[in-house]
Amino acid sequence: DVKVTQSSRYLVKRTGEKVFLECVQDMDHENMFWYRQDPGLGLRLIYFSYDVKMKEKGDIPEGYSVSREKKERFSLILESASTNQTSMYLCASSIGTLNTEAFFGQGTRLTVV
Amino acid sequence: GDSVTQMEGPVTLSEEAFLTINCTYTATGYPSLFWYVQYPGEGLQLLLKATKADDKGSNKGFEATYRKETTSFHLEKGSVQVSDSAVYFCALRGGGSYIPTFGRGTSLIVHP
Repeated sequence: DVKVTQSSRYLVKRTGEKVFLECVQDMDHENMFWYRQDPGLGLRLIYFSYDVKMKEKGDIPEGYSVSREKKERFSLILESASTNQTSMYLCASSIGTLNTEAFFGQGTRLTVV
Repeated sequence: GDSVTQMEGPVTLSEEAFLTINCTYTATGYPSLFWYVQYPGEGLQLLLKATKADDKGSNKGFEATYRKETTSFHLEKGSVQVSDSAVYFCALRGGGSYIPTFGRGTSLIVHP
């Protein structure tokens, strides 16, 4: 089975801190994605990566950056956490073929205080 | 660009009732269509999919048929259980973009 693992289920961070959310997949997938999920807004794409060291902005990249130095790992970085970044963060991966499904991690619920 | 519209929830049903959650899409090309389910506190997991027109995806008693003429992919189940309570997301991929596009999700609450 494909496994996508996010490093933390719950995180509490202070305003202004630099926050790292880690995601690892074990199926050699080319594509990886970071979404945030908020009530009433569904899933919104923050960043995605279609291969190692490649990244593209999604719909809401402001305040975030990403890193993909190895194929299996895709990190989301909050440069200076703010309270409006309190959310559920979901990582996903898929193979590079257009019509295939994405596999999700269990999510990280981040609270910025 | 691609988009997915699904009915707003919550949908509240009694156990053994019939379920329909509507989903329509806009996309160029020939996307694949998906339903994902999210249980409380968890990530999304694939429930079923269909890759071309008139395909029917099915899993765990849920079904959805890819209707190109109406650009729809409605989710149905004949008899829901309390354990089906979750949020359901309709999604597409492979239309104008390879990025998965999701609807806003529909919360289903099933009472005993």
